[in-house]
Amino acid sequence: DGGITQSPKYLFRKEGQNVTLSCEQNLNHDAMYWYRQDPGQGLRLIYYSQIVNDFQKGDIAEGYSVSREKKESFPLTVTSAQKNPTAFYLCASSIELTGFDEQFFGPGTRLTVL
Amino acid sequence: GQNIDQPTEMTATEGAIVQINCTYQTSGFNGLFWYQQHAGEAPTFLSYNVLDGLEEKGRFSSFLSRSKGYSYLLLKELQMKDSASYLCAVRGGDYKLSFGAGTTVTVRA
Repeated sequence: DGGITQSPKYLFRKEGQNVTLSCEQNLNHDAMYWYRQDPGQGLRLIYYSQIVNDFQKGDIAEGYSVSREKKESFPLTVTSAQKNPTAFYLCASSIELTGFDEQFFGPGTRLTVL
Repeated sequence: GQNIDQPTEMTATEGAIVQINCTYQTSGFNGLFWYQQHAGEAPTFLSYNVLDGLEEKGRFSSFLSRSKGYSYLLLKELQMKDSASYLCAVRGGDYKLSFGAGTTVTVRA
């Protein structure tokens, strides 16, 4: 079955540590996205990638980094520079950025920084 | 910037109809999406509107008026499993999605 996987589902880290969240898709989609979801707020875009080896900052990129070395994979690193990292992180993909098709979402990773 | 507004909460009875409104102000417009999200889970796609009018998909319908910056999602014959958060998302001129905060719908027996 095609889809998007994120791991782990729950992640706990100590303050000051970097942590990398995994996102893999086998939908053959060119575009991939990372969002952050906080209670009472809409999803906010962290980074997005239109194609392999290319990525762009979203609205809240500070304290985060990404890579897109393979079409299937778009890992997100939450660095110690991110002031409030505890949140629900969602990865998504679509056929292309500018196409009129929906984004498919992974199951999410809930990160808690202690 | 982008501004997407939708009500925070709505409650309805099983079998009834609920309408969730969404108003938006964005830089450019390339379509409006509605997603359903159960607590702690991934959002799932419900509908997409890019032209004015009504799109019907079974028990769910979505309406768009671009001139008014307005959309609604209509849920008919409500079932308990429809209790979830409903997210309105607008694709702006840069093709990125901007999301509203979501409307939590509670269906009572």
